[in-house]
Amino acid sequence: AQSVSQHNHHVILSEAASLELGCNYSYGGTVNLFWYVQYPGQHLQLLLKYFSGDPLVKGIKGFEAEFIKSKFSFNLRKPSVQWSDTAEYFCAVNPQTVYSSASKIIFGSGTRLSIRP
Amino acid sequence: DGGITQSPKYLFRKEGQNVTLSCEQNLNHDAMYWYRQDPGQGLRLIYYSQIVNDFQKGDIAEGYSVSREKKESFPLTVTSAQKNPTAFYLCASSIRTELNTIYFGEGSWLTVV
Repeated sequence: AQSVSQHNHHVILSEAASLELGCNYSYGGTVNLFWYVQYPGQHLQLLLKYFSGDPLVKGIKGFEAEFIKSKFSFNLRKPSVQWSDTAEYFCAVNPQTVYSSASKIIFGSGTRLSIRP
Repeated sequence: DGGITQSPKYLFRKEGQNVTLSCEQNLNHDAMYWYRQDPGQGLRLIYYSQIVNDFQKGDIAEGYSVSREKKESFPLTVTSAQKNPTAFYLCASSIRTELNTIYFGEGSWLTVV
């Protein structure tokens, strides 16, 4: 079955530290990939997405993610985190089929990021 | 401002009662979705609707029902048949399902006691 794995359930960093959150998926075909963020008390927001082209995708607030097809990965990175990055981060995958639709977006279980001021 | 409005934000109900969660969007999106979010399990799709008067079951539809009588509205009813209804419920919408980018509401917390 198709699945998305986020192995880090809770990550704690100090401000200015570099961040990398892992995301791996299980599907051999073409995929669309997403990272969503949920700040405390707020709704889920799209951070960045990859559909095709340059595998290094830049999103909002200094985040970027790299799609490595051979590793089935789409890790999220930020060179220097801020206290305001404290949130929960969700990786999501949309396997592309002939009948592809958003209904097939599969979410990971999320990674809670806590930044110490 | 355009967006997705869910109400109520917090809801308490007694076991055995049906409860309906409201979701309204003014984004002119065709597709709407309901997800359930449980700690450590990510988001799981309950129901989705691509157009008015049509909807499809997601991965965990048992114990839930929906309607789509208007483009902007997609209410979710949590019935007494749902064995573990206490959860955080998220409504979402997208322009067309093919574009595959979903926008979310702020969610509704349902607690059944």
